Order: sequence, then structure tokens, then C-alpha cells
Amino acid sequence: GEDVEQSLFLSVREGDSSVINCTYTDSSSTYLYWYKQEPGAGLQLLTYIFSNMDMKQDQRLTVLLNKKDKHLSLRIADTQTGDSAIYFCAESIRYSGAGSYQLTFGKGTKLSVIP
Amino acid sequence: DVKVTQSSRYLVKRTGEKVFLECVQDMDHENMFWYRQDPGLGLRLIYFSYDVKMKEKGDIPEGYSVSREKKERFSLILESASTNQTSMYLCASSPGGASTDTQYFGPGTRLTVL
Repeated sequence: GEDVEQSLFLSVREGDSSVINCTYTDSSSTYLYWYKQEPGAGLQLLTYIFSNMDMKQDQRLTVLLNKKDKHLSLRIADTQTGDSAIYFCAESIRYSGAGSYQLTFGKGTKLSVIP
Repeated sequence: DVKVTQSSRYLVKRTGEKVFLECVQDMDHENMFWYRQDPGLGLRLIYFSYDVKMKEKGDIPEGYSVSREKKERFSLILESASTNQTSMYLCASSPGGASTDTQYFGPGTRLTVL
């Protein structure tokens, strides 16, 4: 079955870069996602990457994809205290009925930023 | 902007009560989803719907049912609430039909069953 793995915790100092890693299993995934969840809130889409891309950059966020190793990472440059949150990696899986897609999520990485 | 709203942020119910959690999206999305989120277990899919009146079981449907009578509204029903259904419930919607099927989430409902 499909499984998405992430480490559960990451702690960094303010101003440093954070790198959150994720491995996935379904090689047919077409899109991979990063979501952010702040305390007590729902999930907010941060970014996504198409499976034929190696890298995507959006301001302080850089997503790297190694399709051969099924490894995805999210780098946050100049990490701020406001970046403290849980970050979820997700892969898009085609659901056999109706041509729709589901997301399979990792358990989330809790990022703590130390001032 | 896509907006997904959930009827309550916090809810406290008693064991055995029937509980309705409502979710509404305003972007004419085809797909809607209900997840529950528990510490250490991440998000687990309960049910989803890819069309009005259509529903599909997710990974943990036991103890739950759903209703989608209108495209914009997807309800999660706990027929007889139990303490092990205490959790954070998240609703999401997605446009449907394409591989770029980004899901957009509501703010969540934290349900406590006493």
C-alpha cells in the first residue's frame, strides 16, 4: 500500500535554514504537496511540485524532488518563529473510481524555531 | 480564494448522542473529504465524495456516515458518538478530475465526546 514517511520533529534556530524530508512509495504520483498546520488550525497549502520537476522555488521555500529515490524535501530559508508549525508531505494517488485523486499524507513534522 | 467552512470550531457531546459535522465550500468543487487527525497518527481519511449523492469509504469509515445532498455541502454523521471518536475533524474540497487536484482545508472541528 501507499505510505508517506516523515520525521516527527525538527528544531532549528531562528535565521537558520530548515530542511524537512519526506519519502513516498507510489511512483505513479503525479503531484507532491507540502501543507502547513499552525496550532488549532486546518491545513494550509504551501506549495506543490509536479513529478517531472526536480526543484521548485517560491520565495523562502525550495522543494527538491528525487524521483528515483522517491524523496521529497522542503527547505525554508531564514527560518522565523512564525514558521513554527507542523508540516505535512502528501502524494497524489489516483482513485480508481470517477477519475478523481486522493492525497496520502505523512504524519507531519513538527518544526520548532528557537529564538 | 477558496473557502471551506466548518460549522463549529469546538464541540462537546455525550456518549451515545448523534452528532452532525457540517462542511461547506464555495468554489463549486466536485470532491469533498472528511479526515480525522490524532496525535502520532496524522490525517486519516474517513469518507469522501466525488459527486452529489456519491460517497466512498476511506481508511476508517467505521462508526461514521456521510451525506452529500448538495454540491457545496458535505456532512459527517456520528450515529452514536463514542469516546474514541474524540478527535480533530478536518474537511477538505478539491476541484476534481485532474491530477493537480489540490485539496483545500477548513479550519477543523475539535470534537470531545464525554
